[in-house]
Amino acid sequence: DADVTQTPRNRITKTGKRIMLECSQTKGHDRMYWYRQDPGLGLRLIYYSFDVKDINKGEISDGYSVSRQAQAKFSLSLESAIPNQTALYFCATGAKNIQYFGAGTRLSVL
Amino acid sequence: RKEVEQDPGPFNVPEGATVAFNCTYSNSASQSFFWYRQDCRKEPKLLMSVYSSGNEDGRFTAQLNRASQYISLLIRDSKLSDSATYLCVVNEILTGGGNKLTFGTGTQLKVEL
Repeated sequence: DADVTQTPRNRITKTGKRIMLECSQTKGHDRMYWYRQDPGLGLRLIYYSFDVKDINKGEISDGYSVSRQAQAKFSLSLESAIPNQTALYFCATGAKNIQYFGAGTRLSVL
Repeated sequence: RKEVEQDPGPFNVPEGATVAFNCTYSNSASQSFFWYRQDCRKEPKLLMSVYSSGNEDGRFTAQLNRASQYISLLIRDSKLSDSATYLCVVNEILTGGGNKLTFGTGTQLKVEL
């Protein structure tokens, strides 16, 4: 079983719909992260959390929100999806300097 | 200027060749450095850390030059399985604790027969 699990793996949705991407981890790390990856732009940080009561915006948080439901769970929501949010989304957990990534969620907003 | 810059490539090399990738970073306060590997449509995975003294892991050698804010990765005796995108990653310690990783856009390597 994967240490960092993302669901769903693929999702197609329509403009204006609310969508939630979920992430769970079994590594016991306090730190969790959400990134998006676009061709030519690399990984960009959306939100991060250093423990259950801690939520921080990354460099591209507009249009997104997160919830840290437990140490092991960190979900990302798009309240009203738009086409430029079409991307590959990664969740990661971290201990000190190393991050471990989930397999990614490929999201298409039509 | 991007915080972490890499040549996107692709670098097309024959099997057995030696290939080198470079990376520059803009924040002189960066604390630690890494190379991650990402296969097509897969998640990034840590390849190796990078130290000023240089470090080697089998066919892979990483080097850091803090004065020039420059990081390198050398792959010797390239294998077909080395084909991937290599991400240069820089770690900063944040005020108040915690850390932030900044990823380069990656350099694509294609090893050919």
